[in-house]
Order: sequence, then C-alpha cells, then structure tokens
Amino acid sequence: NAGVTQTPKFRVLKTGQSMTLLCAQDMNHEYMYWYRQDPGMGLRLIHYSVGEGTTAKGEVPDGYNVSRLKKQNFLLGLESAAPSQTSVYFCASSYPPPEQYFGPGTRLTVT
Amino acid sequence: GEDVEQSLFLSVREGDSSVINCTYTDSSSTYLYWYKQEPGAGLQLLTYIFSNMDMKQDQRLTVLLNKKDKHLSLRIADTQTGDSAIYFCAERESNYQLIWGAGTKLIIKP
Repeated sequence: NAGVTQTPKFRVLKTGQSMTLLCAQDMNHEYMYWYRQDPGMGLRLIHYSVGEGTTAKGEVPDGYNVSRLKKQNFLLGLESAAPSQTSVYFCASSYPPPEQYFGPGTRLTVT
Repeated sequence: GEDVEQSLFLSVREGDSSVINCTYTDSSSTYLYWYKQEPGAGLQLLTYIFSNMDMKQDQRLTVLLNKKDKHLSLRIADTQTGDSAIYFCAERESNYQLIWGAGTKLIIKP
C-alpha cells in the first residue's frame, strides 16, 4: 500500500494563477481532509469530505475549493492564488476516526 | 474556541528522557493524540489516548493524561538522535476535526 500520496511535492505560482493539488489514498478510507501548515502554528483544516461526492468547509476555507468525485481522490483547488496562500499543504484520510493518516505534503509558494 | 498549547522547543541530552507537555481547553475531548513530524515529511501518528485513561505506554513512549488539569504529556525514554522532530499534540473536537497545538521541536544534544 502506498498510503496517502500527494501531487505535486513543490510548486511556485504567481499571484492570480490557479492550480489543483491532488491527494490519493489506497486504504479505502471514507474521510479525507486538507490542512495547511504555517510556521509556528498547528495544522488548520481547510476542507474535508466524509464520503464520495461530499465536501464540507473546515476552519479556513476561503480561497479554496475541493472535489471528491472518486472515493480515493480528494482535490484541492486554488482559483486565484494569493501570497497569503504560501504554505505547506497536507492531505489526510481516515476510516473510521480517530486515526488520521497523512501524506508527505505539498510546499506551495505564491509570489 | 477550543485551544491546544505547547511549548515551541525542548532540548535534551541523548540518553535522557524527554517530556513534552500540552494543555487543552475542551473538557469533552474523547481522544488526544501525539503526532511526530520529521523534517520535510508528513505527520506520523505516534499514539493516542482515550479520555477515560490516565496512562498509556508503548515501548519507549509513555502518555499521561490529567483530565482535571486538562494536561497531556508525552515521555520518550532514552532519547535518541532519531527522535529529533516536531511533536504535535491534538484533541478530537468532532468526528472530523482535530484541534492542533503549534508543535514542540525536540532538539537532541550529544
């Protein structure tokens, strides 16, 4: 099992550009999550999904959209990137809670 | 809102025990977690404790929970250089949301 994988690992965007981060899990987990991690802060939940075709807002959803068309994939989109979205993004999955399994992260820089 | 607090740094000598502390505010938390993050990597679940437990031990790791004081600690016995990482405390707020501390960076001195 690969566990949770994320694509890409690194990305540099210019302000206003768009991109999609892909998360894939092969553990047949129902729940998936997108977090961002900023220096000196804990993880903050952006969006989450409790099953295929469902999404919900987390703590910091503004500027992001998500889709869960397939159970194993959870996509995070930035429609118009801003410097404040420079961060490390982590995807996680679980079934059922309480344990969450994390991907290796995507380091995004917006200039 | 609910909050989880940790010290940002802890420095220990190799071979000593490390004790990483965490305080939380939500008295209804059912699970509390410790995650480890090595440089450039994702978070790895180390252990978790259910709220009706006071202690949980797993090899070199001991978790202590004081519900009255809302205090959680992680003790790592015989600390090694491979234990260098950031350790995150988290509490489960709901089925879907964990509230995270800012992380404690464990520095090992030779």
